[in-house]
Amino acid sequence: DTAVSQTPKYLVTQMGNDKSIKCEQNLGHDTMYWYKQDSKKFLKIMFSYNNKELIINETVPNRFSPKSPDKAHLNLHINSLELGDSAVYFCASSQQPGTGVYEQYFGPGTRLTVT
Amino acid sequence: SQQGEEDPQALSIQEGENATMNCSYKTSINNLQWYRQNSGRGLVHLILIRSNEREKHSGRLRVTLDTSKKSSSLLITASRAADTASYFCATDGTGRRALTFGSGTRLQVQP
Repeated sequence: DTAVSQTPKYLVTQMGNDKSIKCEQNLGHDTMYWYKQDSKKFLKIMFSYNNKELIINETVPNRFSPKSPDKAHLNLHINSLELGDSAVYFCASSQQPGTGVYEQYFGPGTRLTVT
Repeated sequence: SQQGEEDPQALSIQEGENATMNCSYKTSINNLQWYRQNSGRGLVHLILIRSNEREKHSGRLRVTLDTSKKSSSLLITASRAADTASYFCATDGTGRRALTFGSGTRLQVQP
C-alpha cells in the first residue's frame, strides 16, 4: 500500500525527446508537489497543486508542464529534454492547513538521465 | 538561494555516539521540519517544530529551534548504523505554501 508512488523509477532518454512522469497518492491529501533534486542533493520546489489548482510555479522553464487530472494524481510532462534536466524528480503530498505547511510524504523518486 | 543551510555538510561517527546537525534559515517561518533520505530513496519526515516551540523530542531525536537566531539543531542520540542517511531541514516561509529545503548533512554511522 504505497502512499505516494511514481512511475517510472528510472528514465533514460536523448536530448530533444518529450517524456512524462506520473505520480499518485492514496493518502487523501489535497496538495501535491514536484521537486527536483540535483547531483549535489539540493532539493528545489517546482510546482504545487491544491485540489487540482496550480498554486506554486517556481522559475521553471515552460518546457515543464504539470497536469493534475484529480487531486490524487499529479503528472509532469517535459518537452525538448536538455542535458541539464538530468536529476531526480520527487513527487510529494501533504494536507494543506490555513497557514504553514504540514509534513510532506515523498514518492521514491524518478531518476531522469538525458544523454 | 537556499533558505536553509545545514552544518556540517558531512559527519562520520561511531555507533553509540550522538550526532548533532545544525540548520540556519533566513526568513520568518511557521514551522521547521527535519527529513531523512536514505541513499536512492525518497525523503521521510522525522519531526516538525512550530515557530512558538523551543524544543521537541521524538524517540532518539531531539530538535531545538531558536527563532531569534533563525537556527535549529537535530540531535540523534545513541546512533545506529541504520541512521546512516542524509538529513535535511525544511522551512515554510510565512505566506509561502511550500517547503524550502536546506543543503543537507550526510551522516555516516560506523558499526
